[in-house]
Amino acid sequence: AQSVTQPDIHITVSEGASLELRCNYSYGATPYLFWYVQSPGQGLQLLLKYFSGDTLVQGIKGFEAEFKRSQSSFNLRKPSVHWSDAAEYFCAVGGGADGLTFGKGTHLIIQP
Amino acid sequence: GAVVSQHPSWVICKSGTSVKIECRSLDFQATTMFWYRQFPKQSLMLMATSNEGSKATYEQGVEKDKFLINHASLTLSTLTVTSAHPEDSSFYICSALTGKTGEQYFGPGTRLTVT
Repeated sequence: AQSVTQPDIHITVSEGASLELRCNYSYGATPYLFWYVQSPGQGLQLLLKYFSGDTLVQGIKGFEAEFKRSQSSFNLRKPSVHWSDAAEYFCAVGGGADGLTFGKGTHLIIQP
Repeated sequence: GAVVSQHPSWVICKSGTSVKIECRSLDFQATTMFWYRQFPKQSLMLMATSNEGSKATYEQGVEKDKFLINHASLTLSTLTVTSAHPEDSSFYICSALTGKTGEQYFGPGTRLTVT
C-alpha cells in the first residue's frame, strides 16, 4: 500500500530564510509525486508535481522539489520565504486514475 | 482553466437528515472525480473514486450506503451523506481528473456540520 510521511508537523522559519519541508513516500512503482498548499479556508493549490524526467522540479511561487529515488524522498524547498507562505503543506503520491494518498501535512509558520 | 467548484461551501444539518454536495468541473470534462474527507487539522483521506456512468469505488472503511456518490455527467458528481450524524461533520473536498495532464484539480471544499 502506498503511504506518505511528512515528519515535521510544524516548522517555524524567519521571513527571508530558506525552507525545506520533508516528504518520504512508499509506492510500489514509479511514483507520481505532488506538493499542495492549503491556506486557511482555501482549497488545495498545486505547487508542483513530478511524473518523470528531471528529478529537480520547479513549481509556482518560487518553490522547487527534488525527487530522490534512493531515499524515497521528495523534499520541497524555497530559498527565501515570504510571510504569505504561511500555510499547510501536503505531500501526496499517486495520481492518474488513482486517488491521491496524502501525508499528514506540515504547518509552516513565518516569523517576522 | 481547470476550475472545480463545490456547492454548498458550508452546510449545517440536523442529525438524521441527508445532505447533498455537488462537485462540478467548470471548464473541462472529467470522467473521473474523487471525494476526500478532511478532519480539522488533519490530512485528506480518499473516500471514493467516482466514474461517469458507473458505480463509485469506495475505499476500505467507507460506508457506501451512507455516502452515496453519483457521477451523472462528465462535469458533475454528487456526494450525499445519508442519515447524517455528528461524527460525519467534516470538510469534504472533491477533485476532478483532467485527461490532458493526468492531474487532479481540487474544489474549494464543503464544510458539513451535523447538529
